[in-house]
This record gives sequence, structure tokens and C-alpha cells, in this order.
Amino acid sequence: ETGVTQSPTHLIKTRGQQVTLRCSSQSGHNTVSWYQQALGQGPQFIFQYYREEENGRGNFPPRFSGLQFPNYSSELNVNALELDDSALYLCASSPRRNLQSLEQYFGPGTRLTVT
Amino acid sequence: KQEVTQIPAALSVPEGENLVLNCSFTDSAIYNLQWFRQDPGKGLTSLLLIQSSQREQTSGRLNASLDKSSGRSTLYIAASQPGDSATYLCAVSSPDSNYQLIWGAGTKLIIKP
Repeated sequence: ETGVTQSPTHLIKTRGQQVTLRCSSQSGHNTVSWYQQALGQGPQFIFQYYREEENGRGNFPPRFSGLQFPNYSSELNVNALELDDSALYLCASSPRRNLQSLEQYFGPGTRLTVT
Repeated sequence: KQEVTQIPAALSVPEGENLVLNCSFTDSAIYNLQWFRQDPGKGLTSLLLIQSSQREQTSGRLNASLDKSSGRSTLYIAASQPGDSATYLCAVSSPDSNYQLIWGAGTKLIIKP
């Protein structure tokens, strides 16, 4: 059984640019959540997708958007990058619609640096 | 608004010692509390989950307790090993956060051989 994978591992972008991060969920999982983890901080919930539809969103501006595909893989898109967007971006997949934040399996993350 | 705090931010102990990591939260109306381990380059791994109706959970050398009334949880690690070195995070799910996890900043644990 393949775990959660994310690509790329590391990424360097310039302020104002756009970035797309990718996540492949664990086999059989239909729910994906995205988190932003700044250095020395805990993760912050960005949004969750269940069966290709957004199923909850944290306190992030609209320039953070996402997609979930029929195979339940997911993308996180960030437009107009700001320096404060530099962080580790984590995705987590779950086997069911996750109203209780249970059974989340995390990927290794994408380290984004904005200069 | 739910806030989660972990103290200390870092801890270094000799191998073999028992240790306790602390987590506190401001709103006692939680649904559950989870302890995670984070290793560099390997993401987060769930260690223990305590539902709001439970007082503790155990897994191997790990024991987590929950006291909702005081807004506190502890993670007890027995007979620590160098492989336990990692950052440990606690996170709570509550109606206040629409059941999404609110995380502490973590305690970075170093076990010295």
C-alpha cells in the first residue's frame, strides 16, 4: 500500500509568482486536507476536499485554492506569492469524510521558499 | 478561540530516562486530542488519540492523559531511546474550530545516547 506522497520536495519562488503543489493520497482514501506549517510553528489548516468538493476551509485568503481529481489526488495553488508564504506545506489523506479530523495520514511535505 | 500551547519548546534528556511532555488548551469543549510525532523529511505520524470521554491512552512506551477541566494533556515516554528524538505536537479538535485540528507549536525532544 503506497502512502501519501507530495511533489516537489523543495521549491524556491519569487514574490508575486504562482505555485502549484501536488499530493497523491493513500490508496482508498477519498479525503485530502492541506496544512501550512511555518518554521517553529504547528500546522495551520488551509482546506479539505472530499470527493472533489471543498469540505471546509481555514483562515486563508482566496489566493490559496485547491483541486481534487477523480483519483482523489489533489493540488494546492497559491497565487501572488508573499514572503510569509514560505513554509512547509503538508497534505493528509483520510479514508472518509473527516469531520472529526481522525485517521489522517500525512505526506512528507513540500518546503516552499519565497524570496 | 481555541489555542494550544506546548511547553517546553525543546527538551534534551539522557537515554533511558522517563519524561513528560505537556500540552495545554484554552477551551475545554474539545472533541478529541491527538499527539503526533514529526521527523524531518518524513511528515507527521499520529501516536495517540484521546476522545473527550477518555482520560488516557497507551501505546507501548507511550501514555497520554487528558484532563479537560484543567485544559491539559501530558505525553509520558518511558525508558527513552535515541530513536525517540523528534518533534512532538499535540492537536485538538473542537466545535469551536469546526472540528478541524488546532495545533501546538511542538516540543523538540533530543535523547542523548
